[in-house]
Amino acid sequence: DVKVTQSSRYLVKRTGEKVFLECVQDMDHENMFWYRQDPGLGLRLIYFSYDVKMKEKGDIPEGYSVSREKKERFSLILESASTNQTSMYLCASSLLGAGLANEQYFGPGTRLTVT
Amino acid sequence: DAKTTQPNSMESNEEEPVHLPCNHSTISGTDYIHWYRQLPSQGPEYVIHGLTSNVNNRMASLAIAEDRKSSTLILHRATLRDAAVYYCILRDVKVNFGNEKLTFGTGTRLTIIP
Repeated sequence: DVKVTQSSRYLVKRTGEKVFLECVQDMDHENMFWYRQDPGLGLRLIYFSYDVKMKEKGDIPEGYSVSREKKERFSLILESASTNQTSMYLCASSLLGAGLANEQYFGPGTRLTVT
Repeated sequence: DAKTTQPNSMESNEEEPVHLPCNHSTISGTDYIHWYRQLPSQGPEYVIHGLTSNVNNRMASLAIAEDRKSSTLILHRATLRDAAVYYCILRDVKVNFGNEKLTFGTGTRLTIIP
C-alpha cells in the first residue's frame, strides 16, 4: 500500500516561530503536494513539486516556502507563523504522467494551531 | 480551470443506493471527471474517474451524461462507513508536463442515517 506520512498530527506554535511540516512517501512518486484545508473553503493548493529541487506555486503560496532535497520528502516551511495560518495541512503524492487517473495519495494531515 | 457545482450536503438511509450529483457545464473535451472522498479525520482518497463512458469499480459507479455537463457518483448500497465529504474534480489531461495538480471544491457532505 502507498503510504504518505506526516511528521505530526497536531502542532501548536507561537506567532513568529519558524515551523517545519514534513511529509514522506514510500512509493517513489515524483509529484508531491501541500494543501491546507479550512472550513467552508475546501482544500487549497499551497505548493507542489514534480522532481527533486523543483517547486511550483499553487493557489495560495504567500507566507509559505517548500523544500524537496530528496524524492521521498517534501517539507512545508512557515518562515514566521501567523494566526491566520492555523489550519489543517495535508500532504499528497502521485506518479508523474501516470495517465488518466494520476491518483493522489494523501497523508493523515497535521492540524496546526498558531497562538 | 473548469468549475464543478455540488450540493453542500445530502442524507441517505443505510443500505440504500446514493446518487451524488455534480454539474460541470463548462467542461472541455480534455477534462476527465475525478471523484475523491474524505472520511472524518482522514486525508482524501481517490474513488473513481471517467471521461465519457460510465465506469464501475469496487467502490462506486460513475454515470456521465451524454453531453458531459453533469455526472453522478453512485454508491450502490451505502454503509455508515461511507459517511464522508465527496469531491467532484475536473482534471485536464492536456496540461503541461509536471503540472498535474487537482483543484478541490468544497464537496458534498454525505450523512448516512442508520
